[in-house]
Amino acid sequence: AQSVTQLDSQVPVFEEAPVELRCNYSSSVSVYLFWYVQYPNQGLQLLLKYLSGSTLVKGINGFEAEFNKSQTSFHLRKPSVHISDTAEYFCAVSEISGGYNKLIFGAGTRLAVHP
Amino acid sequence: DAEITQSPRHKITETGRQVTLACHQTWNHNNMFWYRQDLGHGLRLIHYSYGVQDTNKGEVSDGYSVSRSNTEDLPLTLESAASSQTSVYFCASSDGGHTGELFFGEGSRLTVL
Repeated sequence: AQSVTQLDSQVPVFEEAPVELRCNYSSSVSVYLFWYVQYPNQGLQLLLKYLSGSTLVKGINGFEAEFNKSQTSFHLRKPSVHISDTAEYFCAVSEISGGYNKLIFGAGTRLAVHP
Repeated sequence: DAEITQSPRHKITETGRQVTLACHQTWNHNNMFWYRQDLGHGLRLIHYSYGVQDTNKGEVSDGYSVSRSNTEDLPLTLESAASSQTSVYFCASSDGGHTGELFFGEGSRLTVL
């Protein structure tokens, strides 16, 4: 079965500083990878996804992620964060079985942006 | 616009009571999922369905049940609520395409006293 490890449970950062949220997954086959964001008291929304092709994926709100197959990683980055980026971020991998797929989520990383 | 709605958004109940959380989607998606979110555990899959009359157990299915009588709805039932089931519950759907991308509801916060 697939698994996802988000290496940091909390990441504090000052406004306008760069940030990287780390994600590793376990898989020896082709995967689809996702980052979702959850703002306080809201559901999850898709930030970006890797399906195939270029290993650098750009998403909404200036975020990007790089797929690294050899290191089985999919780290999320933003060069300059804003207070409004304060949220919980979830990395997920698609697990395919019997022709059907479902997403397996990491435990989440809470990003706290301070002024 | 198509959407996925959950009700109630907040619920307080007592141990031993039956509780049903509703999930309704207008995306016409075949696949529907229920997750619970707890601090330190992220999102854990409770039950899921790949179509009408199809239901499957996820990793934390004990104490929960679902039924799928139409495409739009996947209600989640707690037969006898326990304090360990205090959590935030999210319903999600996907179109059954090869990626597995999910669309989420706003969540239902359940407190079992």
